[in-house]
Amino acid sequence: AQKVTQAQTEISVVEKEDVTLDCVYETRDTTYYLFWYKQPPSGELVFLIRRNSFDEQNEISGRYSWNFQKSTSSFNFTITASQVVDSAVYFCALENAGNMLTFGGGTRLMVKP
Amino acid sequence: EAGVAQSPRYKIIEKRQSVAFWCNPISGHATLYWYQQILGQGPKLLIQFQNNGVVDDSQLPKDRFSAERLKGVDSTLKIQPAKLEDSAVYLCASSLDGHAYNSPLHFGNGTRLTVT
Repeated sequence: AQKVTQAQTEISVVEKEDVTLDCVYETRDTTYYLFWYKQPPSGELVFLIRRNSFDEQNEISGRYSWNFQKSTSSFNFTITASQVVDSAVYFCALENAGNMLTFGGGTRLMVKP
Repeated sequence: EAGVAQSPRYKIIEKRQSVAFWCNPISGHATLYWYQQILGQGPKLLIQFQNNGVVDDSQLPKDRFSAERLKGVDSTLKIQPAKLEDSAVYLCASSLDGHAYNSPLHFGNGTRLTVT
């Protein structure tokens, strides 16, 4: 069985602050894939990033960065200089070798002006 | 490209009534998913289709939920009879080939169901 845990249910920051969203996963597979999705108030889940289990290289895309550490089974997401438009619910997800995609419970991020 | 279309956007029914949701995936996407998202939780997979065949329906409450994807394109999800705990957002998603890493899922805006 696989599991994704996002311990932070809600985070509130002031605009321009940096914020890190935590994600811890459990799987018995050696090959697996990790994802982050954003769900704005409109409800549609928007794909942000994907990583496979053999690629621990961290990634930066503009104000977004991701830190994948197999040793701690974590795939954390950092937003630098947060903006009000970043306010949303963010989901971490894990796909196993059998193509089953499991989502975490989500972290609601509120960025205040 | 046009996104995943879902209707209706909202639905309110009384318990024991029936309800149906419709999904039109992105053109050319072979895989279609139905997820249930209860308030405050992450989406949970109900059923996954590859073309018009079922790949995974292990978490679908088959005594009351049914889904079909005739002709491998549009899909409908039905609940009959509905229970209070079915109140949730029902999300439809599609992907090219069913492997989320190769082809990330594209989600619709969902149907928010309230059962009273």
